Amino acid sequence: AQKVTQAQTEISVVEKEDVTLDCVYETRDTTYYLFWYKQPPSGELVFLIRRNSFDEQNEISGRYSWNFQKSTSSFNFTITASQVVDSAVYFCALSDYTQGGSEKLVFGKGMKLTVNP
Amino acid sequence: GAVVSQHPSWVICKSGTSVKIECRSLDFQATTMFWYRQFPKQSLMLMATSNEGSKATYEQGVEKDKFLINHASLTLSTLTVTSAHPEDSSFYICSALGQVRYEQYFGPGTRLTVT
Repeated sequence: AQKVTQAQTEISVVEKEDVTLDCVYETRDTTYYLFWYKQPPSGELVFLIRRNSFDEQNEISGRYSWNFQKSTSSFNFTITASQVVDSAVYFCALSDYTQGGSEKLVFGKGMKLTVNP
Repeated sequence: GAVVSQHPSWVICKSGTSVKIECRSLDFQATTMFWYRQFPKQSLMLMATSNEGSKATYEQGVEKDKFLINHASLTLSTLTVTSAHPEDSSFYICSALGQVRYEQYFGPGTRLTVT
């Protein structure tokens, strides 16, 4: 079965520190997709990245970067020079199928990041 | 980008009453929508998958008679919590499946409080 583990539950850092959010997954599929979402205090999920299992290149978007390693089944997320606005709960998610065959996502438990000024 | 709205954003109701939550895709058609429930400090738990024109598919352990889902058009899915009880108080989030595989567009959520 599909499973996503975010071992860290809460992290607190001081502004400008770098922080890495870990995500380890288990999948029965050879082709799969991994996601990261941000949930700020307002509650609305914000899409950050979608990664296909065939694409193992690391990705950088501004202060955000992602390290995908199939060998260790990990898809870690790093925020460089963190800012107070980065404070949120971050979810890692993995593709799956419903009983009816529809695509769905399995979410990790989330990691609450607090960036202090 | 694709926008999904939910209405209401928050609702308080009395125990035993029913509450309807709407989920709309504003600028795209969504044949598949999802309903999630999120308890405080917990992850999103998928409740059901809603397909336009057909019956919803419920996840194991979700009472289909309590959580009625109707996906009557390509832009609207509704979740009705029937005979709500305090334990149904939660944050309900809908999402719509886009054109890109597995990519879901999330609504802002509805906070339900049952007193």
